[in-house]
Amino acid sequence: EVQLVESGGGLVQPGGSLRLSCSASGFTFSRFGMHWVRQVPGKGLVWVSRIKNDGTVTDYTDSVKGRFTVSRDNAKNTLYLHMRNLSAEDTAVYYCSREAVVVGAHDYWGQGTPVTVSS
Amino acid sequence: QSALTQPASVSGSPGQSITISCTGTSSDIGAYNFVSWYQHHPGKAPKLIIYEVSSRPTKISNRFSGSKSGNTASLTISGLQAEDEADYYCSSYTGTTTLYVFGTGTTVTVL
Repeated sequence: EVQLVESGGGLVQPGGSLRLSCSASGFTFSRFGMHWVRQVPGKGLVWVSRIKNDGTVTDYTDSVKGRFTVSRDNAKNTLYLHMRNLSAEDTAVYYCSREAVVVGAHDYWGQGTPVTVSS
Repeated sequence: QSALTQPASVSGSPGQSITISCTGTSSDIGAYNFVSWYQHHPGKAPKLIIYEVSSRPTKISNRFSGSKSGNTASLTISGLQAEDEADYYCSSYTGTTTLYVFGTGTTVTVL
């Protein structure tokens, strides 16, 4: 059974940093691209970042470029999102998702980890 | 890249059919057949229910169907059931550095 479990969320002050983790199991992690998607409370989903299966290619939405870094450790079956210079606008539930074999879909998701940026 | 536009809410009685629209632009929905739909029960993991406009993952009920015309995609839920109460999001591949754009979300209520 495919499982994605996020962790690392919490309360952080504006300007602070946080590292999110996504532990994967039930599939060969190194074969799949992975994504981070976030949801501001009461709002819709927003795509944040993607990393290719071997970690060689990364993409980001414009609002996090230069502040967020996605990485992965295929030996540990873990995806990361390093977030720095956080602002209130980054407050959201952060989900990791697996890139489906078919183009343009995320076929498995975690339950999310909440991040609150507040003083 | 602006969010795709969905109605905030749609409701129907058990057994009825409902359709959720998802309007984008010629740069996303209109440009690619890479539209997907997700069902999200709050507090749980979102679930893929439609990919590539109209294809269903193996374990997804055939009560869910998708289509596209121009810059607008649609999700139809037939034979509405209580368990279908959830939030639904469309998404499209964009081909830009912002790889994906999601919809604003639609809350489905079963009356």
